[in-house]
Amino acid sequence: QITLKESGPTLVKPTQTLTLTCTFSGFSLSTSAVGVGWIRQPPGEALEWLALIYGDDDKRYSPSLRSRLTITKDTSRNLVVLTLTAMDPADTATYYCAHRTGSGSQYYFASWGQGILVTVSS
Amino acid sequence: QSVLIQPPSASATPGQRVTISCSGSSSNIGTHVVNWYQQVPGTAPKLLIYANDQRSSGVPDRFSGSKSGTSASLAISGLQSEDEAAYYCAAWDASLPGPMFGGGTKLTVL
Repeated sequence: QITLKESGPTLVKPTQTLTLTCTFSGFSLSTSAVGVGWIRQPPGEALEWLALIYGDDDKRYSPSLRSRLTITKDTSRNLVVLTLTAMDPADTATYYCAHRTGSGSQYYFASWGQGILVTVSS
Repeated sequence: QSVLIQPPSASATPGQRVTISCSGSSSNIGTHVVNWYQQVPGTAPKLLIYANDQRSSGVPDRFSGSKSGTSASLAISGLQSEDEAAYYCAAWDASLPGPMFGGGTKLTVL
């Protein structure tokens, strides 16, 4: 059974850096076919993909947030860390991590964490 | 605004069939597979359909997906009250390093 869980602060101040951790089990992030992604959802709004890291340490970022995002992994501890700098109230959202899997040209987020609501306010 | 266009809302009565559309372009849906996610209010998204028309494990066969050209559709037959949720289509785009999501369609079961 694959599980993922997000952890981190639920309240950050404007200009601060957000650090979120995704702790997972049930799969190994050690091959290029497997990845962990971060997706966020502002209250009442749609999903927005942020970043993705593959087992071979290939990293991909949303172009609109690339300058502010960093994604890393610790394969031995089964965790992925996302940092987002210069937080703004517009970054208030529920942040999800998800397991990306599939084969060939067919990839999808098969399992999701429960999400963590992060509020940006002074 | 998302490049994958979905109607913001849909509604139907129990037992009816409803279809949700997702319109894209040649650089996304026209080239890549489409996945569908269901999000019940207050919960995390759940994979419903992958690779255009493949049901994820445990998804009832009342749910079906299809793709034609630069558009995709999610159909739900025999609508049940538990199907009330938001539905998101997603696909990779040739111009992006990751997936894009549609704006979501909120389905109301009347």
